[in-house]
Amino acid sequence: TQLLEQSPQFLSIQEGENLTVYCNSSSVFSSLQWYRQEPGEGPVLLVTVVTGGEVKKLKRLTFQFGDARKDSSLHITAAQPGDTGLYLCAGEKGNEKLTFGTGTRLTIIP
Amino acid sequence: SAVISQKPSRDICQRGTSLTIQCQVDSQVTMMFWYRQQPGQSLTLIATANQGSEATYESGFVIDKFPISRPNLTFSTLTVSNMSPEDSSIYLCSVESGLYGYTFGSGTRLTVV
Repeated sequence: TQLLEQSPQFLSIQEGENLTVYCNSSSVFSSLQWYRQEPGEGPVLLVTVVTGGEVKKLKRLTFQFGDARKDSSLHITAAQPGDTGLYLCAGEKGNEKLTFGTGTRLTIIP
Repeated sequence: SAVISQKPSRDICQRGTSLTIQCQVDSQVTMMFWYRQQPGQSLTLIATANQGSEATYESGFVIDKFPISRPNLTFSTLTVSNMSPEDSSIYLCSVESGLYGYTFGSGTRLTVV
């Protein structure tokens, strides 16, 4: 059973548009991480959020952790072709293993 | 954060054979993790490798099929044994990097023919 559901699964938009990716769960996580993976590479950490309601910004990327620490979102402003990749959320609960989301494959069309 | 060197980056193997994947970390780490990823999909944890003890396998993965070695705190191998086409996948190793989350190797793309 996949504990972290991401939506949408696939997203293809024009350069310059905005987008939001969602990561939802019925479980509470102590922290949630977002990764981006490009072809032929391993996932690379973008951000970690640990506090309910927390908002973190990384240039054009805005990450939010839900108040109840069950969900998170990633918003990209003015998307660029370099944003293309597989986005993965991953939750941690205490000493349990890291749980990955189902993934969102993003394509930015120049 | 840690830097991981994983090899081979890709291989094409005959069914029934075995492939050993290596991961070298530039610092000492207690646990190393091995994942499987179908192209374009999410990651599934195979096992956790601790130095000096047997690896801990997740449900659906067994030691006979995926033996793991962890001879020291900077190195681990995962062997995919008696391969079938269903084993075709990307295999990744990972270590925890504290504030930096988890660091991953660049992956091994395995094709079994």
